Amino acid sequence: QKEVEQDPGPLSVPEGAIVSLNCTYSNSAFQYFMWYRQYSRKGPELLMYTYSSGNKEDGRFTAQVDKSSKYISLFIRDSQPSDSATYLCAITSGAGSYQLTFGKGTKLSVIP
Amino acid sequence: NAGVTQTPKFRILKIGQSMTLQCTQDMNHNYMYWYRQDPGMGLKLIYYSVGAGITDKGEVPNGYNVSRSTTEDFPLRLELAAPSQTSVYFCASSYSRTGTGNTIYFGEGSWLTVV
Repeated sequence: QKEVEQDPGPLSVPEGAIVSLNCTYSNSAFQYFMWYRQYSRKGPELLMYTYSSGNKEDGRFTAQVDKSSKYISLFIRDSQPSDSATYLCAITSGAGSYQLTFGKGTKLSVIP
Repeated sequence: NAGVTQTPKFRILKIGQSMTLQCTQDMNHNYMYWYRQDPGMGLKLIYYSVGAGITDKGEVPNGYNVSRSTTEDFPLRLELAAPSQTSVYFCASSYSRTGTGNTIYFGEGSWLTVV
């Protein structure tokens, strides 16, 4: 079983839809959870960062962590064409860690 | 403030050739990283550095070398290029360890093709 599983998509939704992106992980030592957004031909940029189980909201974006199920989600409300990108989940094992384990990324297209 | 700058953006190499991917950051970050990203795959860590003069292997170091003589620069050397090294390479930096939530800033990427 891979450490981080992420459905690669592609995912296509109409403008204004609610988008749900998900990752599952196998290592219970993982403690810190991040979502990166990567536009075509660009480097990833940090979108959301969470530590504990529960929800964290930032504008139209909500990150959700369920450590008991080893499941993380990113919700995008009122999706916009500018949200079209690849979304990568990234997880690290602890405060002393240098290494992030990335999911493969989900390619999202928001159609006007 | 340029952030993380990588050169070249695109390069085609012949099998067996060598080259260096340059990376520099102007944020005075201690930590620097090299990742590779293959189509449909997540980012894999090649090498990282926690400060000038200190480097260590990541998940996929074979076929690569790095050095860190200054805080700003972290070049990646490919020796004897192989088709398996065809990939997109990202240099990144952070102020401190990723595990404490420090943001990793990525460069724009270098597209390398080995033929």
